[in-house]
Amino acid sequence: QLVESGGGVVQPGGSLRLSCEASAFTLSGYAVHWVRQAPGKGLEWLAVILYDGTNKYYADSVKGRFSISRDISLNTVYLRMDSLTSEDSAIYYCVRDATALDLWGQGILVTVSS
Amino acid sequence: EIVLTQSPATLSLSPGARATLSCRASQTVGNHLSWFQQKRGQAPRLLIFDASDRPTGVPARFSGSGSGTDFTLTISSLEPEDFAIYYCLQRSSWPLTFGGGTRVEIK
Repeated sequence: QLVESGGGVVQPGGSLRLSCEASAFTLSGYAVHWVRQAPGKGLEWLAVILYDGTNKYYADSVKGRFSISRDISLNTVYLRMDSLTSEDSAIYYCVRDATALDLWGQGILVTVSS
Repeated sequence: EIVLTQSPATLSLSPGARATLSCRASQTVGNHLSWFQQKRGQAPRLLIFDASDRPTGVPARFSGSGSGTDFTLTISSLEPEDFAIYYCLQRSSWPLTFGGGTRVEIK
């Protein structure tokens, strides 16, 4: 399974780092994505780190503000989020990618508010 | 970026009915199209990948078809637990993009 942590309330302009820890499998063998969902809205893809750990891609909406990384020793993928605005308030999911986005975490809530 | 348009936005059907959901891409995605089901308060669940392949554990009443720009998710006979929101996703090119979703509700 995948377990996200690190969410919470942050002020506009602030930063947050989300973690996604895997159990029962090794993350380094897979690509891992972050996807978010604002309240009452649809799904938005944000970022991916490929299995090699080197290649990373981002949605235009977060490019330059968000950064994805991983720590193989901790079997964890991270999403560093900077310059947060109210539009970043959402549930954030990490997702494993085998041949498809086949395993989703339960999600973690991020609220950007003063 | 590839835009995915799902239709209809809402589908009102009775249990036992056949549901047909559409996903159209602004440019070809080959067969790199997946479908997800999301129930209230839950994470999405993968239903179909590569346009027509079903992961282990997904009931056979769910089927996907299409290639290029036009795709369809069919639920052959709606069960009570199938009333949910369905999203398509293209993984043909970066950035990945989701469709806006189709809500399947009880008529």
